[in-house]
Amino acid sequence: KAGVTQTPRYLIKTRGQQVTLSCSPISGHRSVSWYQQTPGQGLQFLFEYFSETQRNKGNFPGRFSGRQFSNSRSEMNVSTLELGDSALYLCASSLWDRVVDEQFFGPGTRLTVL
Amino acid sequence: ILNVEQSPQSLHVQEGDSTNFTCSFPSSNFYALHWYRWETAKSPEALFVMTLNGDEKKKGRISATLNTKEGYSYLYIKGSQPEDSATYLCAFIIQGAQKLVFGQGTRLTINP
Repeated sequence: KAGVTQTPRYLIKTRGQQVTLSCSPISGHRSVSWYQQTPGQGLQFLFEYFSETQRNKGNFPGRFSGRQFSNSRSEMNVSTLELGDSALYLCASSLWDRVVDEQFFGPGTRLTVL
Repeated sequence: ILNVEQSPQSLHVQEGDSTNFTCSFPSSNFYALHWYRWETAKSPEALFVMTLNGDEKKKGRISATLNTKEGYSYLYIKGSQPEDSATYLCAFIIQGAQKLVFGQGTRLTINP
């Protein structure tokens, strides 16, 4: 079974630009969660989608948004990039029928904002 | 604000030694706790999902215990091997929420 894939793996942008990151979950998984990791910080929850609906959102500004498609693929968008948005962005998929299902992580997208 | 704390932040252990580290979380409204292992240049990988007070899980040389009443979980590694070098993350799920709150991790280095 193919794992979670994320594209692109690396991205360099400048301040003020916007960026879209993509995540393809494991086949059959309907939940996709997004996390941000910055130096010195743990994984910070961004949002979670299940069957195209956002079920939960972390404490991030409105510049961070996401969506999920009918095939469970998900995209995350960050508008008006700031230097502090430089981070590793991970997505994870799960069956998430009972909340306790383990999450399967992708390799991440390393975003650098100059 | 939910706070999940892991200690120690980093640990150096000699190959063959056993070790353990701690994850502390709010004891109220507990729903589940996850443990993940994150090796350098790889993706985090699930070790255990724990839901019941007194739970004990084991996978090979790695085991974990859970105390929901006092809000902590221990991860044990017996007979550490170089391949155990990784960051170990715990993540807490509160009742009614569809999200994991991660601790900052314990970075474990096994010295040959």
